[in-house]
Amino acid sequence: QLQLQESGPGLVKPSETLSLTCTVSGGSISSSSYYWGWIRQPPGKGLEWIGSIYYSGSTYYNPSLKSRVTISVDTSKNQFSLKLSSVTAADTAVYYCACATVLPFSWGQGTLVTVSS
Amino acid sequence: QSVLTQPPSASGTPGQRVTISCSGSSSNIGSNYVYWYQQLPGTAPKLLIYRNNQRPSGVPDRFSGSKSGTSASLAISGLRSEDEADYYCAAWDDSLSGPWVFGGGTKLTVL
Repeated sequence: QLQLQESGPGLVKPSETLSLTCTVSGGSISSSSYYWGWIRQPPGKGLEWIGSIYYSGSTYYNPSLKSRVTISVDTSKNQFSLKLSSVTAADTAVYYCACATVLPFSWGQGTLVTVSS
Repeated sequence: QSVLTQPPSASGTPGQRVTISCSGSSSNIGSNYVYWYQQLPGTAPKLLIYRNNQRPSGVPDRFSGSKSGTSASLAISGLRSEDEADYYCAAWDDSLSGPWVFGGGTKLTVL
């Protein structure tokens, strides 16, 4: 049973970089079967896809966030990470990591990140 | 502004059948599979339907999905109080918007 768990700071200052890690258990992050991705949900709002990475290292980013987003994989730790730079209050959200074959079938529980000074 | 369009709300009484629509375009729903997710309050989304109409193990057959052209629908029959949740459609998108695109979500209220 594939499980994902997000971790990282719950509070980030404006203009700084948000950094989150997703630890994968019950499966290998190097598997050619999966995409790994990040999705966020601002309070009271809907889901927004941030970006995805394939086992080959190919990355795909939401055009509206592309200039600020980096997603990477650490195969030695079975983890993948999200970095979002120059954050503002609009980036306050619950951030989910997810695993997909086409679209997500397994999600982490989510972690709330608040952008505030 | 979500790439896929859903009604913001839907409602029904226990035992009723409710449908939720999801509208897209040729680059997403029109040429790729549709997925549906259920999000109970305070929890992560859970996969409800994949590949337009397939149910993961453990999802009751009260939930069904369909697709026609650039639109899709989720139907819930025999509505129960525990079905009150937010429902999201999603699809792979072949354009620069993707590859993952979501609907804005529909809040289902069981009256």
